[in-house]
Amino acid sequence: DIQMTQSPSSLSASVGDRVTITCRASHSVGRYLSWYQQKPGKAPKLLIYSASYLQSGVPSRFSGTGSDIDFTLTISSLQPEDFATYSCHQSYTSPGTFGPGTKVDI
Amino acid sequence: EVQLVESGGGLERPGRSLRLSCVASGFIFDDYAMHWVRQVPGKGLEWVSSISWDSRSTDYADSVKGRFTVSRDNAKNSLYLQMNSLRTEDSALYYCAKDFGSSVLRHNYFDYWGQGTLVSISS
Repeated sequence: DIQMTQSPSSLSASVGDRVTITCRASHSVGRYLSWYQQKPGKAPKLLIYSASYLQSGVPSRFSGTGSDIDFTLTISSLQPEDFATYSCHQSYTSPGTFGPGTKVDI
Repeated sequence: EVQLVESGGGLERPGRSLRLSCVASGFIFDDYAMHWVRQVPGKGLEWVSSISWDSRSTDYADSVKGRFTVSRDNAKNSLYLQMNSLRTEDSALYYCAKDFGSSVLRHNYFDYWGQGTLVSISS
């Protein structure tokens, strides 16, 4: 199985900050990498697919880059509604595997 | 509006069975593959199972293979997960998720999720 790691596991930031979260795969996943946002008590929400494509309706302050092993999710200017947990997911091969998540709080 | 509503969770003893259901609306159900993803409260997400639009292809996490069976009824816009030989480690919130754009099991993303149904396995 492909293992996904994320760093940091948590971070504290302020409104307006630029936030970067890293996801690393144990083997190349090409660009079959997505990012999900999850708020407490809510279902995950797809933000980014195919490493860098913004899901419809997701604000443009979110962006994704990377390929093969290393990927990054960036929030250019953190907004109050962005405080949540962010998880990456590879769908290059089965089983699809999620990263452990990065909690972004104030 | 896409809606996914799960049901069937509850408290059950180890070794017993549960059947989860997910009723979909707001999209053409048989155009998409569907998925089950679980999450222990406070922990990360774990993919459980997937099924293609026509039920010809199914896939399972090793942790549930041989015990869980995914199925769907396109006429009823419904997805199911039959969970047999339940273990304490199966306790989690189970989400039903719609595939982003594929009808088959390949490079899948999950664009809509239900609110989940909670499964608790304890003696």
